[in-house]
Amino acid sequence: GESVGLHLPTLSVQEGDNSIINCAYSNSASDYFIWYKQESGKGPQFIIDIRSNMDKRQGQRVTVLLNKTVKHLSLQIAATQPGDSAVYFCAENGDSNYKLTFGKGTLLTVNP
Amino acid sequence: NAGVTQTPKFQVLKTGQSMTLQCAQDMNHNSMYWYRQDPGMGLRLIYYSASEGTTDKGEVPNGYNVSRLNKREFSLRLESAAPSQTSVYFCASRSLRQGQNTEAFFGQGTRLTVV
Repeated sequence: GESVGLHLPTLSVQEGDNSIINCAYSNSASDYFIWYKQESGKGPQFIIDIRSNMDKRQGQRVTVLLNKTVKHLSLQIAATQPGDSAVYFCAENGDSNYKLTFGKGTLLTVNP
Repeated sequence: NAGVTQTPKFQVLKTGQSMTLQCAQDMNHNSMYWYRQDPGMGLRLIYYSASEGTTDKGEVPNGYNVSRLNKREFSLRLESAAPSQTSVYFCASRSLRQGQNTEAFFGQGTRLTVV
């Protein structure tokens, strides 16, 4: 069935370091993946997405890598800042054009 | 451009009471969603509406009903609230772009407590 999970529930880094948040998915039919950031008391905010015809996509300070062979997704944040502290979720569309399935999330804490 | 607006932001219900959570989007999106988020967990899909006039069950639909009132509005109803429905509820919307998936936009959430 569809499921998206994370390897690390919490991640603590020093300001200025690079962060890597990982995500495993099980539905090989998924062809669209999204990373969201959720700050305390707020709704999830879109960070970056990637389609299955790509292995890598870069945004501002963020990079998403997709490894379809092992069904693994990662989010890399360069020069992590205190404002990056939040819970990060990956999501996949599975075999639907309409549904998004979310993983449980990783709490990123950035220490000054 | 307000995006996705949810009302109310907070609500306390007694067990057995009913209420409707409202959601509206002004982005002309076709699809709308209701999720719940419990502590330490990701978002779980309750119901979704792929387009105006259609609704479908998600992962955890029991105890809920929905109405896609028009393209803008998608409401979630609890007919007889239970403590297990204490959660934060998020509404989201999205549309296909040139036939391809796009990101979903989320509201700020409704924090519901059932006592």
